[in-house]
Amino acid sequence: KQEVTQIPAALSVPEGENLVLNCSFTDSAIYNLQWFRQDPGKGLTSLLLIQSSQREQTSGRLNASLDKSSGRSTLYIAASQPGDSATYLCAPQGYNNNDMRFGAGTRLTVKP
Amino acid sequence: DAGITQSPRYKITETGRQVTLMCHQTWSHSYMFWYRQDLGHGLRLIYYSAAADITDKGEVPDGYVVSRSKTENFPLTLESATRSQTSVYFCASSESERLFFGSGTQLSVL
Repeated sequence: KQEVTQIPAALSVPEGENLVLNCSFTDSAIYNLQWFRQDPGKGLTSLLLIQSSQREQTSGRLNASLDKSSGRSTLYIAASQPGDSATYLCAPQGYNNNDMRFGAGTRLTVKP
Repeated sequence: DAGITQSPRYKITETGRQVTLMCHQTWSHSYMFWYRQDLGHGLRLIYYSAAADITDKGEVPDGYVVSRSKTENFPLTLESATRSQTSVYFCASSESERLFFGSGTQLSVL
């Protein structure tokens, strides 16, 4: 069974800092990996999707990398803003449609 | 507005009662999913559906029933609610491998 770990569990940074969120997974046989954002009391929003054949994906100030062989992904947030405060979850997807596993998330607080 | 909507937003019920959580999407996505989110367990898949009239179990299906007579609707029924089913329930649909989530239903079973 795929196990997903996200470190750190919580992170507090001042506005403007660049930061890295880490995700590790135990089964490298994945089809893709998604990063999501969840605001308090809300559903999840897909931020980036990386196919297993890709090394990274970028969207604005966000960059996600994937090292499938080592079971790791990182989400890099450049020039953080208070509006980035949320919980970020990673979710590797296996080859079956019911085979997506979520990490517990990293709760990010960006202080003005 | 287009999207995925869940109702009710909040629900309080008693043990043993039947409860149905509704999910409606306007995109005509083929795949739909039900997840529950609990502290200490994260998000876990309850049931999913590949198309109308095609449903299958996820990781934690016991005590739940789903149906999908129309592509746009995917209701989740708790046949006889238990306290362990107190949770936040999320419905999602999938397009091009990306998941789109509803805002969730917070269910409390007393």
